[in-house]
Amino acid sequence: GAGVSQTPSNKVTEKGKYVELRCDPISGHTALYWYRQSLGQGPEFLIYFQGTGAADDSGLPNDRFFAVRPEGSVSTLKIQRTERGDSAVYLCASSFGEYNEQFFGPGTRLTVL
Amino acid sequence: ELKVEQNPLFLSMQEGKNYTIYCNYSTTSDRLYWYRQDPGKSLESLFVLLSNGAVKQEGRLMASLDTKARLSTLHITAAVHDLSATYFCAVDLSQTSGSRLTFGEGTQLTVNP
Repeated sequence: GAGVSQTPSNKVTEKGKYVELRCDPISGHTALYWYRQSLGQGPEFLIYFQGTGAADDSGLPNDRFFAVRPEGSVSTLKIQRTERGDSAVYLCASSFGEYNEQFFGPGTRLTVL
Repeated sequence: ELKVEQNPLFLSMQEGKNYTIYCNYSTTSDRLYWYRQDPGKSLESLFVLLSNGAVKQEGRLMASLDTKARLSTLHITAAVHDLSATYFCAVDLSQTSGSRLTFGEGTQLTVNP
């Protein structure tokens, strides 16, 4: 079946602009996660949804970052007033069931100039 | 705060040799995951370890978990070039169906002919 998909695959923006990153999880997966990965490092947790609600948003670095999942499927990560330090690969993952095996999408590479 | 440490961070080995990657974590957990990441690609789930003493094997890779020592190992047997990638361990502190993963820094493995 189809895996996790993310769009766009690459996004180049200017400092101060607003961006939206989209994630389409595996069908039927109730849990959805956003992580951020900088070069040479492991993914860092941003936010986790169970259904439509954010169950844990403690990883969001500041209030410029916001994510939604209005219908419990597709999620959008929104970044306002982007900064150069926001440049990274943003990964989305989804899971189902008690074992929490998370399946990752291909990521969106965000570059803020 | 949970800390996950891998060593070595860089590993260069010859084909046919054996080696072990270590993953130590700072807080009690009995859920640990291993992922593989090829350059420019997303993370591929390799192993899910859910209890003390768990051992999983797939091809030339074998993973184990010692929750008392807070240690997981990924053992490589008779390495081949195709195993060249970055390997991450990740720890889940929750006993519920979904929660954040905390990743190690990754071990970049290069297998030379």
